[in-house]
Amino acid sequence: SAVISQKPSRDICQRGTSLTIQCQVDSQVTMMFWYRQQPGQSLTLIATANQGSEATYESGFVIDKFPISRPNLTFSTLTVSNMSPEDSSIYLCSVVITEAFFGQGTRLTVV
Amino acid sequence: GEDVEQSLFLSVREGDSSVINCTYTDSSSTYLYWYKQEPGAGLQLLTYIFSNMDMKQDQRLTVLLNKKDKHLSLRIADTQTGDSAIYFCAEKGGYNKLIFGAGTRLAVHP
Repeated sequence: SAVISQKPSRDICQRGTSLTIQCQVDSQVTMMFWYRQQPGQSLTLIATANQGSEATYESGFVIDKFPISRPNLTFSTLTVSNMSPEDSSIYLCSVVITEAFFGQGTRLTVV
Repeated sequence: GEDVEQSLFLSVREGDSSVINCTYTDSSSTYLYWYKQEPGAGLQLLTYIFSNMDMKQDQRLTVLLNKKDKHLSLRIADTQTGDSAIYFCAEKGGYNKLIFGAGTRLAVHP
C-alpha cells in the first residue's frame, strides 16, 4: 500500500498568482499522477510525473500552465500558474501500485 | 482512445439493491476500480477487479465484469441512506494511468 501526503489541503488565491501543491509518498514509485476535479465533475488526468524526465501532459494541459517537478521517487509538485477563477478545482496526486492511491486533495479557490 | 462511460443518476429505495453500470473501451485494461465520493469528501476506493476475473464479492458489494462486452457493474445489496454518494468507475490503462467515468449519483430514498 501507499500513504500520500498532499498539501496544502485548501487555499484561496488571487487571480494572476501561482500556487504550488506538494505530494509526498511513503514509498518509492516510478510514476506519480496529477488529476483535476472541477466542481461537479469527474477526475481528469493532467499529467504523469516521471522521475528523471519531463512530465507527460494530457491533451488540453500544457507545461507553462501546470509545471511539474519530480526531484526523486517519493516527491512531486504541481504548480498552477497565472490562476484564473476557471482554475478553481480540487487537485489530487495519485500513485498506482495495484490499487490506485490518492492524496487528500487540494481544494483551490481563485478569486 | 480510452473512454469510460456511466449513467449519471440512479435512485433506489432503502433496502433495495442498487446496480451501477459502466462501459470502457480499452481492452488492455488490467484493473477496473470503483470509487465512492461523498459530498465535500475525497475519493474512497470501494473495490477493484482484475481483468481475468468475472466476479468479485466483498460484503454488500458485488462487481461483475464482462470483458467481451467491456462492461462493469457494481451491485450494492440492501442499499442504505449512507450509500448516497457519487460512484466513479475507472480503468487502469496504458502507463498505469486511471481513466475515470463521469460518475453516477446514487440517491437513496425511504
